[in-house]
Amino acid sequence: KAGVTQTPRYLIKTRGQQVTLSCSPISGHRSVSWYQQTPGQGLQFLFEYFSETQRNKGNFPGRFSGRQFSNSRSEMNVSTLELGDSALYLCASSLVGYRLDTGELFFGEGSRLTVL
Amino acid sequence: GNSVTQMEGPVTLSEEAFLTINCTYTATGYPSLFWYVQYPGEGLQLLLKATKADDKGSNKGFEATYRKETTSFHLEKGSVQVSDSAVYFCALLLSGGSYIPTFGRGTSLIVHP
Repeated sequence: KAGVTQTPRYLIKTRGQQVTLSCSPISGHRSVSWYQQTPGQGLQFLFEYFSETQRNKGNFPGRFSGRQFSNSRSEMNVSTLELGDSALYLCASSLVGYRLDTGELFFGEGSRLTVL
Repeated sequence: GNSVTQMEGPVTLSEEAFLTINCTYTATGYPSLFWYVQYPGEGLQLLLKATKADDKGSNKGFEATYRKETTSFHLEKGSVQVSDSAVYFCALLLSGGSYIPTFGRGTSLIVHP
């Protein structure tokens, strides 16, 4: 079955702009989570959506937001971009049933954002 | 809170050498433990997992044993290949909680021919 698909794969923005990234999870997965990966900080959790509701949120400023649609596809948005937002943004999906899932995440290849 | 500590990299080895990447954790409860691997230009993929103490996860020649007494989940491989060059992430997940894994910072492995 198809894996997690993220678009766009690469993008370049300038400071002050905003960006929207998209993630299509594996069919049947209802949980989508987002991570920011940088060389200095490693993998940092942004937020998780489950059935269109934000269920968990990491420690990022309000410039970072997201949403999930009824088909489980998710988008994240970063407004007023800063140089420090340059990173690989990874999306991961999971089935997430309490007794069915051991917590395995399926990751997309990521969207690499460069802020100039 | 929960945390995962991995050895800092890069780890540089020659082909066919023995590999150990250390991982220790702190958790309130009994977590499931995972190793993920990220090959260059790709996202993370699950390498192996263990869900209870003394379980051994294994895949592609890699192994890790869930050691509750030492709160560790070290990754090992007897003979590495150039194709194993990647970044390896240790992670834990507490069942019944938020279903958000806690990741270590990753360890880069470079294998030379």
